[in-house]
Amino acid sequence: DGGITQSPKYLFRKEGQNVTLSCEQNLNHDAMYWYRQDPGQGLRLIYYSQIVNDFQKGDIAEGYSVSREKKESFPLTVTSAQKNPTAFYLCASSIFLGTENLRDEKLFFGSGTQLSVL
Amino acid sequence: AQTVTQSQPEMSVQEAETVTLSCTYDTSESDYYLFWYKQPPSRQMILVIRQEAYKQQNATENRFSVNFQKAAKSFSLKISDSQLGDAAMYFCASTNFGNEKLTFGTGTRLTIIP
Repeated sequence: DGGITQSPKYLFRKEGQNVTLSCEQNLNHDAMYWYRQDPGQGLRLIYYSQIVNDFQKGDIAEGYSVSREKKESFPLTVTSAQKNPTAFYLCASSIFLGTENLRDEKLFFGSGTQLSVL
Repeated sequence: AQTVTQSQPEMSVQEAETVTLSCTYDTSESDYYLFWYKQPPSRQMILVIRQEAYKQQNATENRFSVNFQKAAKSFSLKISDSQLGDAAMYFCASTNFGNEKLTFGTGTRLTIIP
């Protein structure tokens, strides 16, 4: 079955430690995204990538880094510079369609990773 | 910049009844999409319904329908014949065509009363 796989489901970070959240998709989607969800809030965009080897900052990129070396993979690193990393992290993907003939804007989401600080 | 506002943090409805969740948005673009996503306790985000701004007809998906008022920038979700499985957080979201950066509201927690 095609889909988006996030791992691990739960992750704990120690002070001063970098941790990496995995996101893999086999939907052959061009675009991938990382969102952060805090309790009582909606999703906020951290980073997104529309093609391999290219990515853009979202609204809350500080303290995070990403890479897009393969179309299927978009890992997110939460660095020690992110002082409040405890949150639920969601990865998503979509087909990047910018033409009038193909209007299918929708995101597919993974099941998420809950990151907590020890 | 886009903004999406959901003014109802919580709603409840009797099973089998109808409930409407409110959403307003603001965008300077003329071509955009609007979405309702459902997030059950599993926290998996599930697309409920989608509306293209250029279409005047309101989108419908089985028991879910929207009331899209473009001039008022309003996009409400109506759930008919509510079922226990509809209990979840519901998020309204918008994106400009070709942009694909979804902007989300803060969500409405829907409780279904048996």
